[in-house]
Amino acid sequence: ETGVTQTPRHLVMGMTNKKSLKCEQHLGHNAMYWYKQSAKKPLELMFVYNFKEQTENNSVPSRFSPECPNSSHLFLHLHTLQPEDSALYLCASSQDAGARADTEAFFGQGTRLTVV
Amino acid sequence: AQSVTQLDSQVPVFEEAPVELRCNYSSSVSVYLFWYVQYPNQGLQLLLKYLSGSTLVKSINGFEAEFNKSQTSFHLRKPSVHISDTAEYFCAVSDPARQLTFGSGTQLTVLP
Repeated sequence: ETGVTQTPRHLVMGMTNKKSLKCEQHLGHNAMYWYKQSAKKPLELMFVYNFKEQTENNSVPSRFSPECPNSSHLFLHLHTLQPEDSALYLCASSQDAGARADTEAFFGQGTRLTVV
Repeated sequence: AQSVTQLDSQVPVFEEAPVELRCNYSSSVSVYLFWYVQYPNQGLQLLLKYLSGSTLVKSINGFEAEFNKSQTSFHLRKPSVHISDTAEYFCAVSDPARQLTFGSGTQLTVLP
C-alpha cells in the first residue's frame, strides 16, 4: 500500500459512454499526476496538478478531462473514447511538483481501461 | 528535452544468476536519475535514485545502479536474483525544472 488509491481497478466502456477515474492520496502531498501506460511504450505524463492548479497538460485530447477539487483527490473524466485509449492509467502524487525534481513520486495501482 | 532509452524490453534470467538492466539518457542539463519497479498488478515503486555524491547507489533488496556521466548511463545490477524480483523495471530522469521522464520499461523474468 503506497498511500495512493485508485478506483475502479478495471473498467470496460463503450465509445459513447462517459465514465470517471478516481484517485485519492493520504500522504499530505501537494502535487498529483495522471500517467498513461501502454504496452511497450514509455509512461506518458498526461496532467500535473500542483496545489490544485493544473500546471501541465501534455497535449492530451479533450476527451480526457481532469479535475482536482482538493490536494487529496484527482479525477479523470472520460467521454467518447477510442479503442486506442485502452491502457493502464496511473495516478501519482509527490510532495511538490517542479521545484523539487528529486522528490519521490508515489503511484497508485492503476485503472485498467478497455474501450470497446 | 530529455529522453530515456531502455535497450532491452525483456530480460529472462535464471534464479541466483547476475543481471544488468541497461538505461541510457539524454539531457542538456544536470539530471536526477531513478529506477522504479512495477510488480504484477501494482503501481510503480521507487527502487533507488541518484541525486548527487557517490555515483553508486544501492537499494535495500540488493540492487545497485551506477551513474556514468561520460556514457550517460544508469544501469541497474544485481549479483544474484530471486524469483520475487520478477517485475517490470523503469528508468526515469528528471532535471531541476521538469517532471519525470520514463523509459519504456524492461520486463525482468527470473526463471527457476
